[in-house]
Amino acid sequence: QVQLVQSGSELKKPGASVKVSCKASGYTFTSYAMNWVRQAPGQGLEFMGWINTDTGNPTYAQGFTGRFVFSLDTSVTTAYLQISSLKAEDAAVYYCASLGASFDYWGQGTLVTVSS
Amino acid sequence: QSALTQPRSVSGSPGQSVTISCTGTSSDVGVYNYVSWYQQHPGKAPKLMIFDVNKRPSGVPARFSGSKSGNTASLTISGLQAEDEADYYCCSYAGSRVFGGGTKLTVL
Repeated sequence: QVQLVQSGSELKKPGASVKVSCKASGYTFTSYAMNWVRQAPGQGLEFMGWINTDTGNPTYAQGFTGRFVFSLDTSVTTAYLQISSLKAEDAAVYYCASLGASFDYWGQGTLVTVSS
Repeated sequence: QSALTQPRSVSGSPGQSVTISCTGTSSDVGVYNYVSWYQQHPGKAPKLMIFDVNKRPSGVPARFSGSKSGNTASLTISGLQAEDEADYYCCSYAGSRVFGGGTKLTVL
């Protein structure tokens, strides 16, 4: 069965970096783009962008350029989200998701806490 | 792209029907038939309930239906059940994806 399994919760200090992983299984990894979605505490879903898993080309939504980097390691069918220079407002649950019409699968979410 | 507009909350009694609206623009909801609806229970990942405006994934009850008119999409839940109480988000694809702000459904 299709699964997206994300790395565990992270506690980081302001200014630090964090790298969230998303391990895909149960389907051909390069057939579907990997998307990233942010959900701040008590807030709605926010689309961050996606990465073409065949070419590795990332596309970032407005507001997610500069400090946010999507990457892949196709040898282990894993997508990554790296956030640098963390700010308090980056505290959120981050989801990876396939978002492909009926091929719609989500990771369990990774909580990133930013606190000094 | 700006977030799609949804009512912050709706409510209904068990057995009743409720409709949640999702208003976009002629650049997203109005031009593409790529509107999805997600259900999210507290602490859980979103679950796809409707895709391509009015298609239901396997396993989603027929009580959930979707439609679109102009720049507004709608999700209707008929025969409300207690377990339908959740947050609901619309999502439109227009080159990039954009989510609505979310609607909290309360089953009275």
